[in-house]
Amino acid sequence: AQKITQTQPGMFVQEKEAVTLDCTYDTSDQSYGLFWYKQPSSGEMIFLIYQGSYDEQNATEGRYSLNFQKARKSANLVISASQLGDSAMYFCATYNQGGKLIFGQGTELSVKP
Amino acid sequence: DGGITQSPKYLFRKEGQNVTLSCEQNLNHDAMYWYRQDPGQGLRLIYYSQIVNDFQKGDIAEGYSVSREKKESFPLTVTSAQKNPTAFYLCASSIRAANTEAFFGQGTRLTVV
Repeated sequence: AQKITQTQPGMFVQEKEAVTLDCTYDTSDQSYGLFWYKQPSSGEMIFLIYQGSYDEQNATEGRYSLNFQKARKSANLVISASQLGDSAMYFCATYNQGGKLIFGQGTELSVKP
Repeated sequence: DGGITQSPKYLFRKEGQNVTLSCEQNLNHDAMYWYRQDPGQGLRLIYYSQIVNDFQKGDIAEGYSVSREKKESFPLTVTSAQKNPTAFYLCASSIRAANTEAFFGQGTRLTVV
C-alpha cells in the first residue's frame, strides 16, 4: 500500500537561506504523482507543487522546487530564499490505487529572522 | 468564485450529541474527501467519495458517517460513537481521485464539551 514518510518533525532555517524538506514514498504503481501542501497556522491547505512519476524534469514553481529521485523514492521540497511567511507545516501527499489521497505526518518549518 | 466551502468554522457540541459538518464545492469535482487533524499531527482520512452516490471508508471511519447524494455536497456526521471528536476537520475535492490537485475548505474546528 502507498505510504508517505516525512522524517523531520521540525526544521529551522535562517531567512533568505534555502531549506530542503524530506519526503519518501512507498508505491508499486508505475504511474503516480507527489504533491506538496503548505498549512499556515490559520489551518488552510495551500497547494505548492506537483511532480508526476513520468515527468523527466524536476518540477519548479517560483521559489519551490521538487528534488525528485525516483530510484530512491524520494520527492524532497526545496524552498529557496526563505521568507518569514514560509513558517508553516508542510505536507507531502500522494494518491493510492483505490483513490485515497494520503498525507505524511508533516514537517513544521520555522524561519528565523 | 469557484471553491470549496466548509461551515461552520467553529462548532461546539455537548458530549453524546451527533453533529453534521457541511462541505460544498462548486468546482464540478467528482472526488471529495474528509480529513481529521489533531494538534501537531498530519491529516488522517475519514471518508472519501470518487463519484456521486458512492463513498468509501478511510483509515479512521469509526464513529463517523457521510452521504454523497449530490455532486457538490459531502456532509460529515460525527456521531456519539466517536470517542474523541474534538479536532480540526478538513474537506477537500479534486477533479478525480488520481494525480490531480486537491482543493481544501477552510476547515471546521469542532469542540465537544
